[in-house]
Parts: sequence; C-alpha cells; structure tokens
Amino acid sequence: KAGVTQTPRYLIKTRGQQVTLSCSPISGHRSVSWYQQTPGQGLQFLFEYFSETQRNKGNFPGRFSGRQFSNSRSEMNVSTLELGDSALYLCASSLKRGGRDTQYFGPGTRLTVL
Amino acid sequence: AQTVTQSQPEMSVQEAETVTLSCTYDTSESDYYLFWYKQPPSRQMILVIRQEAYKQQNATENRFSVNFQKAAKSFSLKISDSQLGDAAMYFCAYRTTSNNNDMRFGAGTRLTVKP
Repeated sequence: KAGVTQTPRYLIKTRGQQVTLSCSPISGHRSVSWYQQTPGQGLQFLFEYFSETQRNKGNFPGRFSGRQFSNSRSEMNVSTLELGDSALYLCASSLKRGGRDTQYFGPGTRLTVL
Repeated sequence: AQTVTQSQPEMSVQEAETVTLSCTYDTSESDYYLFWYKQPPSRQMILVIRQEAYKQQNATENRFSVNFQKAAKSFSLKISDSQLGDAAMYFCAYRTTSNNNDMRFGAGTRLTVKP
C-alpha cells in the first residue's frame, strides 16, 4: 500500500498570501489529522477530519481551516499568512478514529513565509 | 489538559549499546494510549511502539521496549543494541481513548548514535 502523501513538499509564500496544502491518506483510511511542527512549539494538533466532517480542532486561529473530500483526501488552508506560520505541516491518516488506531504520517510540507 | 514532557533534549549512545529515553505525562484519565514515534532526518514520522494504559505488561517491538509506570505517569523507551539507523528525533505521545485523534506530543529527544 502506498503511504500518506503530501503535496507540495516545499512552499515559499509571502506575508498576507494564502496557501493550500494537500494530503492523500493511505487507501481505506478515513481519518486525516493535521499537525504543525515548529522548533519553538514542537508538534501541535491542528484538526482532524473523518467522513468529510471536522471532528476535532486544536487551538489555532480561524485563519487555519481544512476540508475532506469523499475520497478521504484532505486539504488545509491558511489565509493571511504570517511569519510565524513558517513550519513543517504534517498530515496523518488512520483507519478509524481514536483509541489504539495507529496514525501514519506523511513526509510533510515545509512552508516558509517571507 | 494532558501534557507530555521529555526532559532530555539530546542523548547519545555508542553503537551496539543500550539507551533509555525518558517521558512523563500528566493526565486525570485512567485509560489512554501512549506512543513513541521516530522522526529520522528525512522527516517522516514512524511509529516505534505503542502501549495501552490498561495493560500492565510492557510493550516490546524487537530491540525497542518500554518501561510503563502508570502510577508515576512515566513511559520510557529502551533501545537495545543501538544501530546507526536509530539516529533520529524521538517523540513521546499521548492519546485518550475517546473518539478523538488529538495526540499530544513531547518536545522530542534527539538521539545520536556513535560508531
């Protein structure tokens, strides 16, 4: 089975722009979670989608949003980019939600905001 | 809120030796899951080992084992016979048993393996 894929792998934007990141989960996985990884804050949970619905959201401003399509692929969007949004954005998929179900991570998208 | 603490920002070990990475967590829940993830320089996170809190037996995966002390809220990872390929950032993570995929991660421990 192919693993979790994320596109693009690298992205450079300027302040004020918006960006859309894409995540394709492992085939058959219905849950997709997004995390932001920075040197200062570490790994922080952004949100989780399951069956096209946002099920859980971390403590991030409304500029961060996402969606999930019927094929379980997910996108996250960040509007009005700020310098502090520079980070590695990781996507993880799992078969179901919660519990002992393992989350499998993608390689991440490295976003640089200038 | 649940928090996860990894008190060792960096550790090093000689190839073929054993190293233990520490992790403590804070929670008021009685049932939950704990994980150790590895993030090599290529940046893809990989699950190393998982422990269910209701299980008293420590989880083991080949050269990787944990020492789970529920009362002390401690979850350390032991790597035996360390190999060069073990060099990576290691993250300890906590997740509740509820229908929730919000995982809380520690700050990570960078492990260096010396040949």
